[in-house]
Amino acid sequence: QVQLQESGPGLVKPSETLSLTCTVSGDSIKNNFWSWIRQSPEKGLEWIGYIYNSGTTNYQYNPSLKSRVTISVDTSKNQFSLKLSSVTAADTAVYYCARDQYDILTGAWYGLDVWGQGTTVTVSS
Amino acid sequence: IVLTQSPGTLSLSPGQRATLSCRASQSISTTYLAWYQQKPGQAPRLLIYGASSRATGIPDRFSGSGSGTDFTLTISRLEPEDFAVYYCQQCGRSPGRSPLYTFGQGTKLEIE
Repeated sequence: QVQLQESGPGLVKPSETLSLTCTVSGDSIKNNFWSWIRQSPEKGLEWIGYIYNSGTTNYQYNPSLKSRVTISVDTSKNQFSLKLSSVTAADTAVYYCARDQYDILTGAWYGLDVWGQGTTVTVSS
Repeated sequence: IVLTQSPGTLSLSPGQRATLSCRASQSISTTYLAWYQQKPGQAPRLLIYGASSRATGIPDRFSGSGSGTDFTLTISRLEPEDFAVYYCQQCGRSPGRSPLYTFGQGTKLEIE
């Protein structure tokens, strides 16, 4: 059974960097796509970006966040991480990690089929 | 691509049929359209991918249809546990274009 668990600080000060980690169990971090999504009352569900590692790493970010986002992977720990810099109150949200079932060989997509429970991050001084 | 869901709120009773709409601002491949269910305090749960394929473990009362810019999620006979918020999502992958995923704003299905 595949499980994802987000972890990281629940409170971040304005202008600082938000850092979250998603630990994957039951599946390999390699050769899969992994996404970060956030949800706030103001913006609803918002895709942040994904990462794919198969020896080399491929990533894509939401253009609206691209200048502030970094997603990375640690294959030795079966984890992937999110860093969002220069945060403001608008970045306050529940942050989810999810497995992204895109088949890079066929181009088929089977949705975001496994999600973490989500972690609430508040940006406040 | 902007996804617009309607109605915003749908009030029905158990046993009734629910029809939820998702309209895209431009044509999208059925391959890249999914539906999710979200209950309070929980993460979204994948229901439908590829516009019409049910995800693992999803009851057959849930069905998806549509193409181009208009997609529909139908719940044939509502069970008490189906009352939740439903989201459509598109995975904007096409040759030569960076992927961009967007979600609709959601339809709240409430008990009448």
